[in-house]
Amino acid sequence: DTAVSQTPKYLVTQMGNDKSIKCEQNLGHDTMYWYKQDSKKFLKIMFSYNNKELIINETVPNRFSPKSPDKAHLNLHINSLELGDSAVYFCASSQGAGSTYNEQFFGPGTRLTVL
Amino acid sequence: AQSVTQLDSQVPVFEEAPVELRCNYSSSVSVYLFWYVQYPNQGLQLLLKYLSGSTLVKGINGFEAEFNKSQTSFHLRKPSVHISDTAEYFCAVGGQGRRALTFGSGTRLQVQP
Repeated sequence: DTAVSQTPKYLVTQMGNDKSIKCEQNLGHDTMYWYKQDSKKFLKIMFSYNNKELIINETVPNRFSPKSPDKAHLNLHINSLELGDSAVYFCASSQGAGSTYNEQFFGPGTRLTVL
Repeated sequence: AQSVTQLDSQVPVFEEAPVELRCNYSSSVSVYLFWYVQYPNQGLQLLLKYLSGSTLVKGINGFEAEFNKSQTSFHLRKPSVHISDTAEYFCAVGGQGRRALTFGSGTRLQVQP
């Protein structure tokens, strides 16, 4: 009964490859996010989707493309992987509605290592 | 624009001692404030949150935080820490209408026996 799940947990790949990370939430939330945590533990928002619509797209290389087939899923596809993409990627979800702010629930993270 | 500053990158403390982890924020709009904990090789877990109301917020595992609007601070405290509290602690701010969180750089709490 995991609330926010991510697959895979670990991903090791070569430079230049294309890879995807999947995220699913069973909380009935309408907003999902991707965050990147770098080697210094700094967390930064990458993307946010609300009801399958992209609402936040921070300055991220266009090699990163989020895809939301439905409001319970938000996948992250990365083309032409580079060494600097090595990080932990966290998916999160929240019930964002109207002007209130709601708690975000995080997945366990995917540790991506690019060799 | 919003930003969060966690003043201490590492805080070593002995078991059963009190601890305070400092967090200051800046925001041009009303804020919502959060503390998350990340245990080694795990995801983020919410410790506590301030959305409105009482400025003293109690969270899980005996932690509490106080929202101070005049000092733009949201410091995290625990009166007596345990070895199991060793983890990375993140302060985060979210503004009304902006759904993503802005995180501080984290504070590593190291509890020693």
